[in-house]
Amino acid sequence: QSVLTQPPSASGTPGHRVTISCSGSSSNIGINTVNWYQQLPGTAPKLLTHSNDQRPSGVPDRFSGSKSGTSASLAISGLQSEDEAEYYCAAWDDILSAFVFGTGTKVTVV
Amino acid sequence: QVQLVESGGGVVQPGTSLRLSCAASGFSFSSYGMHWVRQAPGKGLEWVALMSYDGGNKYYADSVEGRFTISRDTSKDTVYLQMNSLSAEDTAMYYCAKDLRGGRGRGVIPDYWGQGTLVIVSS
Repeated sequence: QSVLTQPPSASGTPGHRVTISCSGSSSNIGINTVNWYQQLPGTAPKLLTHSNDQRPSGVPDRFSGSKSGTSASLAISGLQSEDEAEYYCAAWDDILSAFVFGTGTKVTVV
Repeated sequence: QVQLVESGGGVVQPGTSLRLSCAASGFSFSSYGMHWVRQAPGKGLEWVALMSYDGGNKYYADSVEGRFTISRDTSKDTVYLQMNSLSAEDTAMYYCAKDLRGGRGRGVIPDYWGQGTLVIVSS
């Protein structure tokens, strides 16, 4: 049972914007930074954003992360067909002394 | 470039042991923390273990605490996951991942990931 909750699915049309939420608590998102991962079908996860809103080099600026209180969000603007993937939020949890992932959100481009 | 190659997966019977390896290259291995993360078939990601860059800190998920042990050999640039008392619930793809920093608790960030090695626990 994950301590970070995400909606199971999200969808959007090409060129539009999709936002994925991630709900946590005071022991994880509330006190630590949030990271987002993209997992394309059949591949390993890829780091999309870290430290709430930082993008590793090579990640398009269409992807943006944010955090407020005990929740975080990933926004994908200018949605493209290749963005169809599973997206996970993640953060350190001080009570568990463990890194925790969200439940995952499948993004579909319709 | 960073490369992580996992090996050691396979089909094993419940109650037995298995050791996974992850060979690293393309970065200064001794400067970064290393993680193991698993994904059961059709399920989400589950973090398993973390070892800090110097081996001084180790962290485990509750689901594997006492059964799994993470270790590293800096002479071989390799991180290991020793898995004991395996059960069907441990069936998953196991990924190793490099940390963005030293891997000391808060602020850890798995950044580069290997392609994984599949472990199936079945009688």
